[in-house]
Amino acid sequence: SYELTQPPSVSVSPGQTASIPCSGDKLGEKYTSWYQQRPGQTPVLLIYQDSKRPSGIPERFSGSNSGNTATLTISGTQAMDEADYYCQAWDSTTKVFGGGTKLTVL
Amino acid sequence: EVQLVESGGGLIQPGGSLRLSCTASGFTVSSNYMSWVRQGPGKGLEWVSVIEAGGSTFYADSVKGRFTISRDNARNTLYLQMNTLRAEDTAVYYCARWYNYGLDNWGQGTLVTVSS
Repeated sequence: SYELTQPPSVSVSPGQTASIPCSGDKLGEKYTSWYQQRPGQTPVLLIYQDSKRPSGIPERFSGSNSGNTATLTISGTQAMDEADYYCQAWDSTTKVFGGGTKLTVL
Repeated sequence: EVQLVESGGGLIQPGGSLRLSCTASGFTVSSNYMSWVRQGPGKGLEWVSVIEAGGSTFYADSVKGRFTISRDNARNTLYLQMNTLRAEDTAVYYCARWYNYGLDNWGQGTLVTVSS
């Protein structure tokens, strides 16, 4: 079965740029979405179709996808961005989440 | 306003069955792809199932043959019939709308606990 791999944790200083990778075989050939989940809350869609932002999502969140890796980038990271982040890949048969990355803003 | 409200969770013994419901408002379930996603205690998100607008259904390997996704167009409601439940099925179950290759609206979740 298809698998997506994320690092368990990423740390970033306030105001800096955080990058969260998501890797999978030929992931660039599939659409990837990203979700943010704060403790005790429901997941929120941050990025869809690799790089598009839903309305209401700040511009500091961006996404890319090429080769075997998709990346979520958070520019000017804020304390409120501390959360778990999940990638998800979609095609006709693959609908899987990555294991999640805990972003710590120190 | 799009809203999804799950119900039907609870405590069930191993081997038992449970049916989850997800009532939608603000959009038509039958015109959209709808998914179930679960999250075990302290664990990550796990995709469970999807029903496409045309009615095709797909399942994660972990639930294939035991879970069935369906919808009632008149009630604008999504269901997940769960049979032969196992301890590892313990989780919060979310329903979500799949739109433009992203799950753009989620319910608040319903907790299923499988334990004797």
